[in-house]
Amino acid sequence: EDQVTQSPEALRLQEGESSSLNCSYTVSGLRGLFWYRQDPGKGPEFLFTLYSAGEEKEKERLKATLTKKESFLHITAPKPEDSATYLCAVQSLYSGAGSYQLTFGKGTKLSVIP
Amino acid sequence: NAGVTQTPKFRILKIGQSMTLQCTQDMNHNYMYWYRQDPGMGLKLIYYSVGAGITDKGEVPNGYNVSRSTTEDFPLRLELAAPSQTSVYFCASSYELAGALGTDTQYFGPGTRLTVL
Repeated sequence: EDQVTQSPEALRLQEGESSSLNCSYTVSGLRGLFWYRQDPGKGPEFLFTLYSAGEEKEKERLKATLTKKESFLHITAPKPEDSATYLCAVQSLYSGAGSYQLTFGKGTKLSVIP
Repeated sequence: NAGVTQTPKFRILKIGQSMTLQCTQDMNHNYMYWYRQDPGMGLKLIYYSVGAGITDKGEVPNGYNVSRSTTEDFPLRLELAAPSQTSVYFCASSYELAGALGTDTQYFGPGTRLTVL
């Protein structure tokens, strides 16, 4: 069974204080790892997809990296508008019942204080 | 493009009542999904559809039904509402299920917050 564990559950940062969020996963074969941002009362908003170990993607102050066991979402010099819950999800490579379904973690709630 | 739209935004049901959650997408996506999100938990897949007329169960399908008569619409039906179905429901869509890079991205609607009392 695919599993995704995100840590920490919550993170408070001062504006400008860089940090990283972790997403550890167990999957029979990784097809893709997805990062989403979710604001309160809204649906998840797509950020990145990573497909292979060593891959990195950047968007503004965010950078996502992938190893064979985990992914990190690095936040450089965060601003208050980066406050949100960040969700990680994995998609299995192998076919069968429920194939290609996304398995989501519980998320990391990030608060950036001015 | 409006993307993925869901109605209603909020709903309160009594135990045993029925309702349909509506979902529409205007991106001409083949694949559509229904998830539920409980407080402090990850999103769980309820049902998904690979195209008009074709649906399949996800991880937590009990108590729900779906249909897909058009590419754009994917309604979720709750027949006999139970308190355990209190949750936030998200509809999503993607062009492919596991295809070329980028085309498998799932885009989510704003959600329907359902309370069953």
